[in-house]
Amino acid sequence: GAVVSQHPSWVICKSGTSVKIECRSLDFQATTMFWYRQFPKQSLMLMATSNEGSKATYEQGVEKDKFLINHASLTLSTLTVTSAHPEDSSFYICSATRGGENSPLHFGNGTRLTVT
Amino acid sequence: KNEVEQSPQNLTAQEGEFITINCSYSVGISALHWLQQHPGGGIVSLFMLSSGKKKHGRLIATINIQEKHSSLHITASHPRDSAVYICAVKGSNYKLTFGKGTLLTVNP
Repeated sequence: GAVVSQHPSWVICKSGTSVKIECRSLDFQATTMFWYRQFPKQSLMLMATSNEGSKATYEQGVEKDKFLINHASLTLSTLTVTSAHPEDSSFYICSATRGGENSPLHFGNGTRLTVT
Repeated sequence: KNEVEQSPQNLTAQEGEFITINCSYSVGISALHWLQQHPGGGIVSLFMLSSGKKKHGRLIATINIQEKHSSLHITASHPRDSAVYICAVKGSNYKLTFGKGTLLTVNP
């Protein structure tokens, strides 16, 4: 089956630094990738939708200057958390799809970010 | 009120029992996903359905579009089925809205 690789699986960083998370589709071309955030004991929340070659579309309340998303190729999207603060500590997960109404979604294994 | 409601929130079963998890939604959808999230956080997509019923191994998913309701069934449950099961509905542009999940624990 289709595989989405997310890296790193966990990261600890100091407040004020930036962290980059990668999401790769290993065996298919992902026209669209999604980034989600999940706080403990809460639902996944969509942060942004990323289409290859165009600017990401951010959900209401998500700061685009803080969460930089780049989808420069059909197999790679990156999420950079800039000037991280402890309240950004969360579980970040991506998903990818080839596109098309019936195309399935494939999820990465997520990244646990802890900001100290 | 959440757009996607799951029940129960927590479910404990004995190995071999038949499990049912329910999902109700209040918005128009193009499809509904059932996802499985293991303790490490990784998510596996179990089903995507827009009508009727799908079966994969011991898992069965049904959806009633008119009633805006879906169920996930697990037959002959096993401890390895222990996970969080999440219902998510797909609106326009592939955006998913997620339920809060059902924590399933299957005891040997």
